Amino acid sequence: AQSVTQLGSHVSVSEGALVLLRCNYSSSVPPYLFWYVQYPNQGLQLLLKYTSAATLVKGINGFEAEFKKSETSFHLTKPSAHMSDAAEYFCAVSEGGNEKLTFGTGTRLTIIP
Amino acid sequence: KAGVTQTPRYLIKTRGQQVTLSCSPISGHRSVSWYQQTPGQGLQFLFEYFSETQRNKGNFPGRFSGRQFSNSRSEMNVSTLELGDSALYLCASSSGLAGDEQYFGPGTRLTVT
Repeated sequence: AQSVTQLGSHVSVSEGALVLLRCNYSSSVPPYLFWYVQYPNQGLQLLLKYTSAATLVKGINGFEAEFKKSETSFHLTKPSAHMSDAAEYFCAVSEGGNEKLTFGTGTRLTIIP
Repeated sequence: KAGVTQTPRYLIKTRGQQVTLSCSPISGHRSVSWYQQTPGQGLQFLFEYFSETQRNKGNFPGRFSGRQFSNSRSEMNVSTLELGDSALYLCASSSGLAGDEQYFGPGTRLTVT
């Protein structure tokens, strides 16, 4: 069965600092991996996805993630944090690309001015 | 292109009642998935419909059901509401092709009293 672990339910970084949000997955078949962001009282917005085409994936708003099969990881990074990045971030996995997404528990990102 | 829409946005029901939530997918999308989001359990997959057929199902009791119409619009129904059904219900649409991203609506906030 597929599963996702997000290390750190809360992460705080200073404005302009590096953002690193951790995600490890478990999947019995090559996974499809996604990062979503959720702002208060809103739905989920897709940041980026991995579907085996390239291990380094670039997404919207300056975010990127690197797929590392040996570490079963898909960590999300952004070189310089902006105040507008404050939100909750979810990593998700889909086995075989079906529509059933399994989500991690989320990481709430706080930006310190 | 219009996004995923969900109605109503907010709903208050009494324990034992039933409720129907509606989702209109992005034009051209044939797959609609439903998720439940709660503080305790996080984001959990309910079911997915593709071309009017349930294609995937999560681990929820039979009180939770859904359907999809020929225009791809979907409804989910919860019968005999329990206090624990209070949650944000999110709908997502996609093309239905393997690994394609899902686009989420703003959600319906259901409160059961």
